[in-house]
Amino acid sequence: QQQVKQSPQSLIVQKGGIPIINCAYENTAFDYFPWYQQFPGKGPALLIAIRPDVSEKKEGRFTISFNKSAKQFSLHIMDSQPGDSATYFCAAATSGTYKYIFGTGTRLKVLA
Amino acid sequence: GAVVSQHPSRVICKSGTSVKIECRSLDFQATTMFWYRQFPKKSLMLMATSNEGSKATYEQGVEKDKFLINHASLTLSTLTVTSAHPEDSSFYICSAYEDSAPGGYTFGSGTRLTVV
Repeated sequence: QQQVKQSPQSLIVQKGGIPIINCAYENTAFDYFPWYQQFPGKGPALLIAIRPDVSEKKEGRFTISFNKSAKQFSLHIMDSQPGDSATYFCAAATSGTYKYIFGTGTRLKVLA
Repeated sequence: GAVVSQHPSRVICKSGTSVKIECRSLDFQATTMFWYRQFPKKSLMLMATSNEGSKATYEQGVEKDKFLINHASLTLSTLTVTSAHPEDSSFYICSAYEDSAPGGYTFGSGTRLTVV
């Protein structure tokens, strides 16, 4: 019940494409859902996050869609660029706790 | 913004030796820091929570005698991998909580440990 399932494991898109990464969770106590971007040999950096009171959040080219009833959320990257090539992790947490449960990661490659 | 510095970025050690990894909060005080382990192409697994001035809290399955954590000041936590073995080779990442950081948590840049 503590797991966060992430798919796909890897993704290749052309420049300008819109990669979509999906995550699903079971624990209804989760109320904070961040996405992290990680480049090789570096620590993860927060990209965008959402709480269950909204169904969509957009920051620049990055959009999170959230479906509370289905317990799913996804990351969309608009007009993807080669510089977006990285590993993306979704996570889930309960407010007031420190425990982030990370998804298994998606390795994205954007071709020039 | 909140910055967490992790050192070293890479370390190679011989089997049986110990390695210390440092995690510093540069512009804020962190009463709590977290240590993660990441295997190649895998997710981040929380190993332990480091509390300033008290014992660390380890996650289930993590050997506390193997992975010694010390949080002696509000800006420094250290992880010592004792009697390292090749299976301890991994990417270790620390993070710290700070109110002003986006999402609250800032991650260090990680340490690649290779045990030969």
